[in-house]
Amino acid sequence: SAVISQKPSRDICQRGTSLTIQCQVDSQVTMMFWYRQQPGQSLTLIATANQGSEATYESGFVIDKFPISRPNLTFSTLTVSNMSPEDSSIYLCSVDQLQETQYFGPGTRLLVL
Amino acid sequence: GENVEQHPSTLSVQEGDSAVIKCTYSDSASNYFPWYKQELGKRPQLIIDIRSNVGEKKDQRIAVTLNKTAKHFSLHITETQPEDSAVYFCAASKSNYQLIWGAGTKLIIKP
Repeated sequence: SAVISQKPSRDICQRGTSLTIQCQVDSQVTMMFWYRQQPGQSLTLIATANQGSEATYESGFVIDKFPISRPNLTFSTLTVSNMSPEDSSIYLCSVDQLQETQYFGPGTRLLVL
Repeated sequence: GENVEQHPSTLSVQEGDSAVIKCTYSDSASNYFPWYKQELGKRPQLIIDIRSNVGEKKDQRIAVTLNKTAKHFSLHITETQPEDSAVYFCAASKSNYQLIWGAGTKLIIKP
């Protein structure tokens, strides 16, 4: 399976600021996804990152709040904009190599004060 | 849309006993069913998956069964060990690469 890294691994941010999370894969992948996971909860899909076009957002998530870039087949970024304490969560990227099997990055733990 | 229900939310078993976690799905078009294990503070890890053309799949102490008619699938862990303690998630997909996730089961292995 692909080796996936995320940066930063954790961060503490002030409300009103923005944080960009990077997801890097060691091989080209077709699909990349961004999830949010609150403590003790299941995974919630934020959006599918499409290479060369706008991301596809799930209900409840909008581009102004969570802009996503995917400049190539191995890299994507998720920005959490104008943060509030409610954005405190773990953010995970995942990749799918045409097998429908998703593999996850290690996650980014975000605390907003 | 697709909905996946997972039970129980917490399961406590004696070490060495078996554990069974069950999931039901609503969309009969779903055809791919993975199971993930997430240890505390770690990423979800795929442990086993099954596709709709197969009724059962086994990998050492782990097995998954699928009943397409009833629209449910189950994870079976035999001879449980302390390192099996984790949260387990089931999911379902219908060839569009999007996974619909269950709520998770916290498995506790009692020594």
